[in-house]
Amino acid sequence: EAQVTQNPRYLITVTGKKLTVTCSQNMNHEYMSWYRQDPGLGLRQIYYSMNVEVTDKGDVPEGYKVSRKEKRNFPLILESPSPNQTSLYFCASSWSSGSAIGRQYFGPGTRLTVT
Amino acid sequence: DAKTTQPTSMDCAEGRAANLPCNHSTISGNEYVYWYRQIHSQGPQYIIHGLKNNETNEMASLIITEDRKSSTLILPHATLRDTAVYYCIVRVDPRDDKIIFGKGTRLHILP
Repeated sequence: EAQVTQNPRYLITVTGKKLTVTCSQNMNHEYMSWYRQDPGLGLRQIYYSMNVEVTDKGDVPEGYKVSRKEKRNFPLILESPSPNQTSLYFCASSWSSGSAIGRQYFGPGTRLTVT
Repeated sequence: DAKTTQPTSMDCAEGRAANLPCNHSTISGNEYVYWYRQIHSQGPQYIIHGLKNNETNEMASLIITEDRKSSTLILPHATLRDTAVYYCIVRVDPRDDKIIFGKGTRLHILP
């Protein structure tokens, strides 16, 4: 089954404790992306990657890191989480050519709470 | 900033057609319009996309005005399961591959 998986699905952590949220897709997609969703603010793009070893900032990259060492994986790293990073996070992937880039497949989401 | 404008919320009676508008007056000639929906806090689900012509698939129809400055997503026979937030998006700039979702329209299907 074609899918995007994220782990963990729920995480409660404390300020300053480094964490990684994993994202994996099995569709051989080139494009992968991370979003955060907060009440009243909609979905905002954090980082995206056009292919292996190629990453770019989205609209809200501060406080986050990403890496793309393999095509299928795109982990989101919070080196020193703060309470304002409490949010619902989504990973997505798509083909990168032409109109396909906008046709994204989303993961189920990771609900992160930083205390 | 989102390049699209949508009403914050809409109501539609069950069984009727739901028509969700979107303004994208600054869209450029080669930018596509995409529609997604998000049920509760699940991951958004792709519905349909188009460039100039009207499009239809098993989920919905997309009507794009001739000047491409606005579009309408049509759910022909709305059911309670169509209650969701609907997002209309365009590519911000094909050269940098960002995607901006905006805040969407919360559609309530009334029994």
